[in-house]
Amino acid sequence: NAGVTQTPKFQVLKTGQSMTLQCAQDMNHEYMSWYRQDPGMGLRLIHYSVGAGITDQGEVPNGYNVSRSTTEDFPLRLLSAAPSQTSVYFCASSRLGNEQFFGPGTRLTVL
Amino acid sequence: GNSVTQMEGPVTLSEEAFLTINCTYTATGYPSLFWYVQYPGEGLQLLLKATKADDKGSNKGFEATYRKETTSFHLEKGSVQVSDSAVYFCALRNTQGGSEKLVFGKGMKLTVNP
Repeated sequence: NAGVTQTPKFQVLKTGQSMTLQCAQDMNHEYMSWYRQDPGMGLRLIHYSVGAGITDQGEVPNGYNVSRSTTEDFPLRLLSAAPSQTSVYFCASSRLGNEQFFGPGTRLTVL
Repeated sequence: GNSVTQMEGPVTLSEEAFLTINCTYTATGYPSLFWYVQYPGEGLQLLLKATKADDKGSNKGFEATYRKETTSFHLEKGSVQVSDSAVYFCALRNTQGGSEKLVFGKGMKLTVNP
C-alpha cells in the first residue's frame, strides 16, 4: 500500500492564481480530511468527507473548495490564492472511528 | 467547544534526559486522546492513544495516561534519544455524535542533543 499520497510536494503561486492540491489513499478509508499547519497554530481542519459524495466544512474553510467523487481521491482547490494561504497542507484518511493516517504534506507559498 | 492546550516549547534536552510534555483538554462527553509525532520534513504519525479514563497509551518508550479528573494527557519518556527530535502534538477526537474530527494543540518542538 502507498498509504496517503499528496502532490505536489512544493508549489509557489502568485496572488490570484488557482490550483488543486491532490490527495489519494489506497486503503479504502471512508474518512478523508485536509488540514493546514502554520507556525504556532498547530493543525487546523479545512474540509472533511465521510464518504464519496459527502463533504463538510471544518474550522477554516474560506478560500478552499473540495469534492469527493471517489473513495480514493479528495482534491483541495484554491480558487484565487492569497498570501494568507501560505502554509503546509496535510491530507489524512481513516476508517470511521479509527486512527488517521497523514500524507507527507504540500508546502505552498503564495507571493 | 473542544480544545487542547499543550506546552509549546521549543525544548532542548540532552540525550538520556527525562521528558514530560503537558497536555490538557476541554471537551464535552468522553473524548479519545492522542499524541502525534512529526519528524523533520514528514507528515504526522500516531505515537499513542487512549480512549477512556485511566487508559495508558504507550509506544517507543513514550507513555501517557488519560486523567479525566484533571482533564490531562501528559506525555512522558524516561530517557530520550537524538532520534526523538521532532514536533509533538496532543489531539482529541470527541466521539460524541460520531464525529471523526481531530482537534490539535499547537505542537511542541523537541531537540535532543548527544
